[in-house]
Amino acid sequence: DADVTQTPRNRITKTGKRIMLECSQTKGHDRMYWYRQDPGLGLQLIYYSFDVKDINKGEISDGYSVSRQAQAKFSLSLESAIPNQTALYFCATSDSPQSGTDTQYFGPGTRLTVL
Amino acid sequence: GENVEQHPSTLSVQEGDSAVIKCTYSDSASNYFPWYKQELGKRPQLIIDIRSNVGEKKDQRIAVTLNKTAKHFSLHITETQPEDSAVYFCAGDGLMDTGRRALTFGSGTRLQVQP
Repeated sequence: DADVTQTPRNRITKTGKRIMLECSQTKGHDRMYWYRQDPGLGLQLIYYSFDVKDINKGEISDGYSVSRQAQAKFSLSLESAIPNQTALYFCATSDSPQSGTDTQYFGPGTRLTVL
Repeated sequence: GENVEQHPSTLSVQEGDSAVIKCTYSDSASNYFPWYKQELGKRPQLIIDIRSNVGEKKDQRIAVTLNKTAKHFSLHITETQPEDSAVYFCAGDGLMDTGRRALTFGSGTRLQVQP
């Protein structure tokens, strides 16, 4: 789904480095999400934003921070990366339930490796 | 917050057979239950969803059933084909610690359809 894009697609970094993953969407959705995927653990919610000024912690927010620069942009930062943050990271967007459709649309993912 | 458990973790069927994946959830006020399919190396994509005011929903070879009393829902795929091979995730819109509702995903089921 080209309407949701993520950069970079792959990143290898070292322990202690600061990393930013970016997500952009052209779907006009208010809601954006960051998930982490580890093998056998499904998708775990890191942070979610229902509007530019409405940002909430998810299940596993420790070690992560986010910035919602605009309706279309939602960035995830690892202030000081550690090896157990090695994972596949997905951004997603959705409309609000009041719109009648709140399907989440996922970006292509960013594979992050922390050495 | 919401706890979503998914079974089985792996499922192998012969082409043409049916496949059933089951999920249970903990938040009795959850309202929305989507199912996502993730092919190897791809992003998760919605295949079907159901809301709490409906007991069953069908879309061609795929159906979802919901039992609110027992707090479980199931995905049924009939006449399976090799292209159905993928990882399937269930989710529920449980209440987060922030007081907002967001999706909690099950751990996934890897379905393999043998030709």
